[in-house]
Amino acid sequence: EPEVTQTPSHQVTQMGQEVILRCVPISNHLYFYWYRQILGQKVEFLVSFYNNEISEKSEIFDDQFSVERPDGSNFTLKIRSTKLEDSAMYFCASSRQESDTQYFGPGTRLTVL
Amino acid sequence: AQTVTQSQPEMSVQEAETVTLSCTYDTSESNYYLFWYKQPPSRQMILVIRQEAYKQQNATENRFSVNFQKAAKSFSLKISDSQLGDTAMYFCAFMNTNAGKSTFGDGTTLTVKP
Repeated sequence: EPEVTQTPSHQVTQMGQEVILRCVPISNHLYFYWYRQILGQKVEFLVSFYNNEISEKSEIFDDQFSVERPDGSNFTLKIRSTKLEDSAMYFCASSRQESDTQYFGPGTRLTVL
Repeated sequence: AQTVTQSQPEMSVQEAETVTLSCTYDTSESNYYLFWYKQPPSRQMILVIRQEAYKQQNATENRFSVNFQKAAKSFSLKISDSQLGDTAMYFCAFMNTNAGKSTFGDGTTLTVKP
């Protein structure tokens, strides 16, 4: 069964450094998402992406964040200058259609020191 | 904006028994989807069950079933014959049919006791 994959599983970085989180969505899916979950808290929507552009973003998704689909398979989330409060689990998700079930990847745990 | 409320932060159940997790939501939309996701200690998000708002019939997936009450905006998850592997955090989520983002509740931590 096809699944969403994410790399790395765990990323440790120093405050102020740039990080890129990578996702490979399910191959025939057209809509891509990033969510964040701070430890012990709920899952929060960051951004949705379709047809090579952002469809919607939350207030969390400020100028420090960007997304890109650099080729036909990868979908990346970049944080330009990480802050301590960016420490969280980041989930990528994809769906075939906008209103279809979203399938989540295993997550990347980001730790900012 | 939509909100999702899970009023039970923690629940426990004996193995083989039945447990029901509550979820309520608030929306002005008439067409939407509701989901239950399971998050085990590995923290992966696993889809448990999905319900389309236009369907009156409650969704079922093996031991998992929902009680969807559209007028009351309630969407509870029933787990029958609970197994130790059901121990996890369970999230209720809402999604508009015309917007892909999902809104999650705070989660309910379920512990299945042997």
